[in-house]
Amino acid sequence: QKEVEQNSGPLSVPEGAIASLNCTYSDRGSQSFFWYRQYSGKSPELIMSIYSNGDKEDGRFTAQLNKASQYVSLLIRDSQPSDSATYLCAVNGAGGFKTIFGAGTRLFVKA
Amino acid sequence: DGGITQSPKYLFRKEGQNVTLSCEQNLNHDAMYWYRQDPGQGLRLIYYSQIVNDFQKGDIAEGYSVSREKKESFPLTVTSAQKNPTAFYLCASSIGIDSTTYEQYFGPGTRLTVT
Repeated sequence: QKEVEQNSGPLSVPEGAIASLNCTYSDRGSQSFFWYRQYSGKSPELIMSIYSNGDKEDGRFTAQLNKASQYVSLLIRDSQPSDSATYLCAVNGAGGFKTIFGAGTRLFVKA
Repeated sequence: DGGITQSPKYLFRKEGQNVTLSCEQNLNHDAMYWYRQDPGQGLRLIYYSQIVNDFQKGDIAEGYSVSREKKESFPLTVTSAQKNPTAFYLCASSIGIDSTTYEQYFGPGTRLTVT
């Protein structure tokens, strides 16, 4: 069974701090990696995609991928109360059509 | 505006009734998906379709049925055979199987309550 694991949290950080969200996956052949943000009662929103080892930055968000360690992370710099949400890690395996979602990490940013 | 629409937003049904959830997209995406989300849990794949007139079972297809007669539309029927249908249902789409990426974009969801 291919799995994507995330710490359920909640992760609590003060406003302005860096929030670090982590995800591990079991399928070594995985090729596409995504982070979604989901506010309470709403649908997931794609915020980052990453396909190769290293870092990818988009505004206050940085995704980091380490395929050797089967690990992907999301850093949120200068965290804001509006970043409080559940963050879902998602992974596509080799042949890549089906996406496996983690259960999500709840993030609280305290003002 | 391009996007995915789902209707209705909230749906209430009595046990034993079939119910159909609507999903429409105008993104010109080939692939469409249905997920179920239960409180505090991740998304579980019910069905997916890579192309018109073709669809595949996901991980929890029992008690559900779909059709894909048009590229834009992928309705989901929750049948009376589904043992625990109360959940948040999410429709998504992606460019398709000939893309190197599989970024999925979600509709707003339908919250189904069966009593």
